[in-house]
Amino acid sequence: AQTVTQSQPEMSVQEAETVTLSCTYDTSENNYYLFWYKQPPSRQMILVIRQEAYKQQNATENRFSVNFQKAAKSFSLKISDSQLGDTAMYFCAFMKLQYNFNKFYFGSGTKLNVKP
Amino acid sequence: DSGVTQTPKHLITATGQRVTLRCSPRSGDLSVYWYQQSLDQGLQFLIQYYNGEERAKGNILERFSAQQFPDLHSELNLSSLELGDSALYFCASSPAPGTFYNEQFFGPGTRLTVL
Repeated sequence: AQTVTQSQPEMSVQEAETVTLSCTYDTSENNYYLFWYKQPPSRQMILVIRQEAYKQQNATENRFSVNFQKAAKSFSLKISDSQLGDTAMYFCAFMKLQYNFNKFYFGSGTKLNVKP
Repeated sequence: DSGVTQTPKHLITATGQRVTLRCSPRSGDLSVYWYQQSLDQGLQFLIQYYNGEERAKGNILERFSAQQFPDLHSELNLSSLELGDSALYFCASSPAPGTFYNEQFFGPGTRLTVL
């Protein structure tokens, strides 16, 4: 069974600083996808970034980037120039193809507090 | 706007009652997922449907049931409600495998309060 582990329940960062959120996963699959979702206080789930396992290049979306280490099964999220609006719960997710449909697994989340 | 709609947005009911939550996936998405999220907790996966058929079950109580209809909308039925069932219930959808944007798209959630 696949598991996704986020070992940091809560983190804080000063505005304009950089922070890295950790995520590790356990799988025997070779082809899969990884995602980071953000859940601000409004509790809407918002996709931040996606990474295909077959791509060696790390994904980047503006101030958000990932460090994908396939052999280590690690998928960390780096937020540069943190802004107050980045305050949210962040969930790491793993997706694999099972038979003919996608199956998702979520981590327990990291609560990020950006301080002014 | 993710394209996933959920109704109602809020629901207040009493213990022992039964409620139905409704979800319409994004146009063309075949998979529907249901999650429960209590305050300051993570996402608890309940159940997944693909093109009308149940595909995966998580920690779904026997008092809860779901189905996906031919038009692909889904309903989550919660019965004999208890105080602990108060939570935010999310529906998410995803397209068929092989589609480029294959992530889950989440609805805004239904906030259930059991008094």
